[in-house]
Order: sequence, then structure tokens, then C-alpha cells
Amino acid sequence: EDQVTQSPEALRLQEGESSSLNCSYTVSGLRGLFWYRQDPGKGPEFLFTLYSAGEEKEKERLKATLTKKESFLHITAPKPEDSATYLCAVQAANAGNMLTFGGGTRLMVKP
Amino acid sequence: NAGVTQTPKFQVLKTGQSMTLQCAQDMNHNSMYWYRQDPGMGLRLIYYSASEGTTDKGEVPNGYNVSRLNKREFSLRLESAAPSQTSVYFCASRWDRGYEQYFGPGTRLTVT
Repeated sequence: EDQVTQSPEALRLQEGESSSLNCSYTVSGLRGLFWYRQDPGKGPEFLFTLYSAGEEKEKERLKATLTKKESFLHITAPKPEDSATYLCAVQAANAGNMLTFGGGTRLMVKP
Repeated sequence: NAGVTQTPKFQVLKTGQSMTLQCAQDMNHNSMYWYRQDPGMGLRLIYYSASEGTTDKGEVPNGYNVSRLNKREFSLRLESAAPSQTSVYFCASRWDRGYEQYFGPGTRLTVT
């Protein structure tokens, strides 16, 4: 069974305090790993797709990395507007059209 | 280009009532999905449609029906709403050449 576990469940940072969010996964053949941002009362917003171990993607203060067992979302010098829930999802080779989502990490950045 | 749109944004139903949630996308995507999101449970797939005219069950299909009306529209129907169906419902769509899904703004449904 495909599984995605995100940690921590919640993370409080001071503005400018860099940190990382973790997404551990167990799948039989990874087709892709996805990071989303979700603001309260809104739908998930697509951030990144990673396809193979060693791959990295960057967008502003966010950098996503991938190994064979986990992915990290590194947040450099965060600002209060980075506060949101970050979701990780995987597409397994035998899952057809379906994504498996983790429970998310709620990030709060204080000024 | 509106992306994925959903109606209504909010709905309150009484147990046993029926309703249809509407979803439309203007990105010419073939695949469309319905999810529910509950605290502590994450996003769970209800039904999906890989192309016009096809639908398949996801993880939690009981109590729901879907219709892929055309390439743009994918509706979710609750025939007899139950309090356990209180949730936030998201529609999503996917382009064939990538695996990432794009989500709508959601419908917050309360069943009393």
C-alpha cells in the first residue's frame, strides 16, 4: 500500500528563520512526487513536481529535493506570507490516475 | 483562463436531502477528480474520470455518484446526504502529459 507521511504536523518559525519540511513515502515505483501549498479556505496550489532521486526544484524562497525515500521542502528566510499548509503527494506506477496525499504540515511564520 | 471552478462555495443540507456539486475546467484537461478533505484525514479521492465518458471509483466512493457531462464538466451527486458527508469537497483536473493535478477553490458542505 502506498503511504505518504509528512512531518512535523505543525511548525512555527520566526521571520527569517530557515527550516525544512519532510515528506517520507513508500510506493511501488515512483512516477512523481508533488508539493502543494494550501491557504485556509482555498484549494491546494501546485508548487513542484519531482520525478527522480537527486532532482531539485526552486521557486522564490522554496526549494524541493528528492531522495529514494523522502522529499524535503526547504524554506529559506521565510516571510509571514509563506504561512500555509504544505501538502506532499505521490503518483505510484501502479496507481493509475490516483495521487496519494500526506496529512500536510501547517507552517506559521511570525513577524 | 479561470482554471478549475466549483459551485456552490457553501451549502447546508439536512439529512436525506440530495444535491449536485458542479465542477468545470477550461484547461482542456482529459482527467478530472473529486476529493474530500477532512481534519486529520487529508485529501481522499472519491471518484475520477480519465476521459469523457469514463468514471472510476476512488478510495471513498460510497454515498456518491458522478457524471462526466463533457470534457469540461464533472459533477458529484449526493443522493441522500448524511452527517458523515460533512466535508470540504475539491475538484481537480490533470493534463495528460504530466501527473500534477490542479485544484478548484472547494465547496464547504455541512449536513445536519
